[in-house]
Amino acid sequence: DAKTTQPPSMDCAEGRAANLPCNHSTISGNEYVYWYRQIHSQGPQYIIHGLKNNETNEMASLIITEDRKSSTLILPHATLRDTAVYYCIVLRGGSNYKLTFGKGTLLTVNP
Amino acid sequence: DTEVTQTPKHLVMGMTNKKSLKCEQHMGHRAMYWYKQKAKKPPELMFVYSYEKLSINESVPSRFSPECPNSSLLNLHLHALQPEDSALYLCASSQGWGAGGETQYFGPGTRLLVL
Repeated sequence: DAKTTQPPSMDCAEGRAANLPCNHSTISGNEYVYWYRQIHSQGPQYIIHGLKNNETNEMASLIITEDRKSSTLILPHATLRDTAVYYCIVLRGGSNYKLTFGKGTLLTVNP
Repeated sequence: DTEVTQTPKHLVMGMTNKKSLKCEQHMGHRAMYWYKQKAKKPPELMFVYSYEKLSINESVPSRFSPECPNSSLLNLHLHALQPEDSALYLCASSQGWGAGGETQYFGPGTRLLVL
């Protein structure tokens, strides 16, 4: 089963880009990479997901390396409200369904 | 609307009590999930329902009993819990299940304390 590795914590200055890395070196070809965040024990909030290509939405960008062994979540202009635990998740659908959460990165955005 | 609601927000129960957690969504999603989250840990998947049928049970003890009365509702019945079962219980739903590209939307959770 794919495992994910994330740094336990990161700091970022307000207004700057936050780049959160995730290693998933054992990912399989049919497994998706998802990112969620969780603010102080609220329910996790969906951010973005991808399979092979880079993705962008109104919240963030997801950069997946060509070999798919790692990815980076980019928050382009971090605000204080982006302070949260960010989880990198590998999801395999189908009859062998498996969802693996990383341990999460606590991102602290400083004024 | 991407809202999943959970009741109650907080629950305190004794080890001999029977209680239920409730989850509801009105997004037309056909898959619903229960997760357990201990403090400072990531959520752990417990159960998956797809089209109102239990599809996955991640070897959860029988003192946790899920129920899906219809496509919008998911319950978790609790009986004879232990203090170590104290945690945040999260419900989620997604449009489908199984293909791998379905986004899950989470509720705010029920914080359970077992005395």
